[in-house]
Amino acid sequence: EVQLLESGGGLVQPGGSLRLSCAASGFTFSSCAMTWVRQAPGKGLEWVSTISDSGGSTYYADSVKGRFTISRDNSKNTLYLQMNSLRAEDTAEYYCAKTVVVGACYFDRWGQGTLVSVSS
Amino acid sequence: EIVLTQSPATLSLSPGERATLSCRASQSVSNYLAWYQQKPGQAPRLLIYDASYRATGIPARFSGSGSGTDFTLTISSLEPEDFAVYYCQQHSNWPLTFGGGTKVDIK
Repeated sequence: EVQLLESGGGLVQPGGSLRLSCAASGFTFSSCAMTWVRQAPGKGLEWVSTISDSGGSTYYADSVKGRFTISRDNSKNTLYLQMNSLRAEDTAEYYCAKTVVVGACYFDRWGQGTLVSVSS
Repeated sequence: EIVLTQSPATLSLSPGERATLSCRASQSVSNYLAWYQQKPGQAPRLLIYDASYRATGIPARFSGSGSGTDFTLTISSLEPEDFAVYYCQQHSNWPLTFGGGTKVDIK
């Protein structure tokens, strides 16, 4: 069974940093692209970033480019999102998603999310 | 950036009724469109990919159609567990984008 378990969320001040993790199991992690998607409270879904299976290719939404860095450790079956220079508008539930590359890509399994709150 | 517009914003129906949800793209996405279901407090779940292919374990009452810029998600006969928010997502171009969602609630 595919399992994705996010961690690392919490309350952080504007301008601060946070690193999210997503521990994966139940599939061959090193063969799958992975993605972070976020959802602000009461709002819709927003794609944040995608990384290829090898980690050699990364993609970012303009809203986070230059502030967030996606990475992965295939030896640990873990996906990361380093978030710097956090803003109030980054407050959201952050989901990691197993990603299928067709065209660009879509998401066939999702974790339960970790909440990031940016506030002073 | 491809903008996806979902309509209606809210659909009020009774169990057993047919639900028809629309997703329109600002430019062609070919057949690269996915649909997700999200229930309160839960993560989204993939229903449909490539416009018309049901994901693993998705009941046959869910079907997707369309290509280019106009897409439809149909639920043939609503079950109590189908009342939720539905999102479309284009997987044709970067950046990936989602529609604003359609809430299907109980009439």
